[in-house]
Amino acid sequence: EPEVTQTPSHQVTQMGQEVILRCVPISNHLYFYWYRQILGQKVEFLVSFYNNEISEKSEIFDDQFSVERPDGSNFTLKIRSTKLEDSAMYFCASSETPLRVHEQFFGPGTRLTVL
Amino acid sequence: KNEVEQSPQNLTAQEGEFITINCSYSVGISALHWLQQHPGGGIVSLFMLSSGKKKHGRLIATINIQEKHSSLHITASHPRDSAVYICAVNYGGSQGNLIFGKGTKLSVKP
Repeated sequence: EPEVTQTPSHQVTQMGQEVILRCVPISNHLYFYWYRQILGQKVEFLVSFYNNEISEKSEIFDDQFSVERPDGSNFTLKIRSTKLEDSAMYFCASSETPLRVHEQFFGPGTRLTVL
Repeated sequence: KNEVEQSPQNLTAQEGEFITINCSYSVGISALHWLQQHPGGGIVSLFMLSSGKKKHGRLIATINIQEKHSSLHITASHPRDSAVYICAVNYGGSQGNLIFGKGTKLSVKP
């Protein structure tokens, strides 16, 4: 069964460093998302991406964040200068189409720890 | 503000019990999702619904659009059902991104 994959599963970094979180969405899906979950809190939307551009973003997704689909399979989230408060689980998700609401399929998450 | 509220926050049940988890939301939605999050953190989609009722195995999800309320039921609960159950919605004005509730932590004892 097709699934969303994410790498790495756990990333530890120093404050101020740049990190890139990688996702491989399901191959025929067209709409991609990043969410984050700070420990003990609810999952929060960061950004959605369609047709090689950002479709929607939340207030959390400020200038330190960027997303990219560098090739036909990967979808990345870059955090330019990490802060302690960026420590969280980051989930990638994908869905078939944005034309109407579709089920979203989630990756296993990347746990980011900023020291 | 678009809010998703779940109750209860925590639920402990004995194996075999019938479980109900509730979700309410504040404004019109295009769809409501029930998700399961296991202790390792992974999230699995259980249901997506915009009206009526859906059933999958021992899980049943219902939604009442007029009352802005949904329930997730688990029949004949089992310890392997222990997880966090999350309600999330697509609000009408959004382009697909989900707004999440805080989740209900379910523990089923043998």
